[in-house]
Amino acid sequence: QVQLQESGPGLVKPSQTLSLTCSVSGGSISSGYWSWIRQPAGKGLEWVGLIYTGKGTNYDPSLKSRVTISIDTSMNQFSLHLTSVTAADTAVYYCGSGGSPIDYWGQGILVTVSS
Amino acid sequence: SYDLTQPPSLSVSPGQTASLTCSGDKLGDTYTSWYQQKPGQSPVLVIYQNTKRPSGIPDRFSGSNSGNTATLTIDGTQAMDEADYYCQAWDNRVIFGGGTKLTVL
Repeated sequence: QVQLQESGPGLVKPSQTLSLTCSVSGGSISSGYWSWIRQPAGKGLEWVGLIYTGKGTNYDPSLKSRVTISIDTSMNQFSLHLTSVTAADTAVYYCGSGGSPIDYWGQGILVTVSS
Repeated sequence: SYDLTQPPSLSVSPGQTASLTCSGDKLGDTYTSWYQQKPGQSPVLVIYQNTKRPSGIPDRFSGSNSGNTATLTIDGTQAMDEADYYCQAWDNRVIFGGGTKLTVL
């Protein structure tokens, strides 16, 4: 069974870049789809984007201008970069295996945008 | 944009059947998945491709998709099933419904 673990800063200043990494174990990241999802406190799930074999990407249209998802097969990790963050980007960020559906989810990491 | 609509809440008594709905204009043309999320926990996939259950999901969970409505059915609902449930589909991007809070009381 694939296991995923998010890591990165829990606090980011407004206008800066949010950067998170998802470490994958129990499976190779060289194939398949890998996703990022976020959830503001007390609210529903919001899809951020995904990356797939061949390093193609697909992002939510509302975030597309600010998001980059990349993959490092040597480290079996994939990453999320979200630029020009505001308080509205404060959320628990999850990484997941799969695109549709998302088969397995990481435990999530709370990222707060605040000065 | 394409939206998935779920009722915000549903209450059932233990042992009863819970039917959670998800509606969307193009839902019948695509696969629907369902996720269970308990407080403070990550979502768990409970149904994919409309009707399939991942390994380890109890068979009291079932799914259907007809017309513009997908339904997650929980037969013999148990207290442990109390959670938020999200439907999800694909339309050139991943789309989530707003979620239904299932209360078992």
